[in-house]
Amino acid sequence: DTGVSQDPRHKITKRGQNVTFRCDPISEHNRLYWYRQTLGQGPEFLTYFQNEAQLEKSRLLSDRFSAERPKGSFSTLEIQRTEQGDSAMYLCASSSEGTGEETQYFGPGTRLLVL
Amino acid sequence: AQSVTQPDIHITVSEGASLELRCNYSYGATPYLFWYVQSPGQGLQLLLKYFSGDTLVQGIKGFEAEFKRSQSSFNLRKPSVHWSDAAEYFCAVGDTNFGNEKLTFGTGTRLTIIP
Repeated sequence: DTGVSQDPRHKITKRGQNVTFRCDPISEHNRLYWYRQTLGQGPEFLTYFQNEAQLEKSRLLSDRFSAERPKGSFSTLEIQRTEQGDSAMYLCASSSEGTGEETQYFGPGTRLLVL
Repeated sequence: AQSVTQPDIHITVSEGASLELRCNYSYGATPYLFWYVQSPGQGLQLLLKYFSGDTLVQGIKGFEAEFKRSQSSFNLRKPSVHWSDAAEYFCAVGDTNFGNEKLTFGTGTRLTIIP
């Protein structure tokens, strides 16, 4: 396995449109995380899954943001009615839960530009 | 709540010179600490991590970091930088109460290498 992959790498959309991003984790990893990174800032935690269960979503930025991981493998992050303030890099990470010392491995990110 | 401070927004170093990037954290117990590196437009690559044990940890690409509990610091060092080390460096702290699901990042330090 070559690591965490994300698709698309870049997305340009008009304000008000819906967008969906996909993340494929490292195959043996059961935890998957979403972060947002705005210009000049570090990544900001949004949500995470353990297998198909979404265990933390209070950090999702608004009810326009939602994430799924229906079969415990890949995940999607959807933003409805996009706003210019949603322009950012969206990063996905995965880890293997069990030891208490999990390390998150990041994908290349999806860069979103809302016009 | 946990937090991370990287006091240096931008550092310029001559190729072959030594490097130290500062990181201070705030956390109620012994934290999990990480350094990640991000090249322009890319995701984050793990350089090294501290969970417990020896406070001097070795990472990839010749980097090392030292955990100093008394100073709440986890500074990153490299004895001799290479032009390929130019990138953005992020320090992060994991919440040990939740098995590391929530990583909190600093705002990053941008490293420029001059010939």
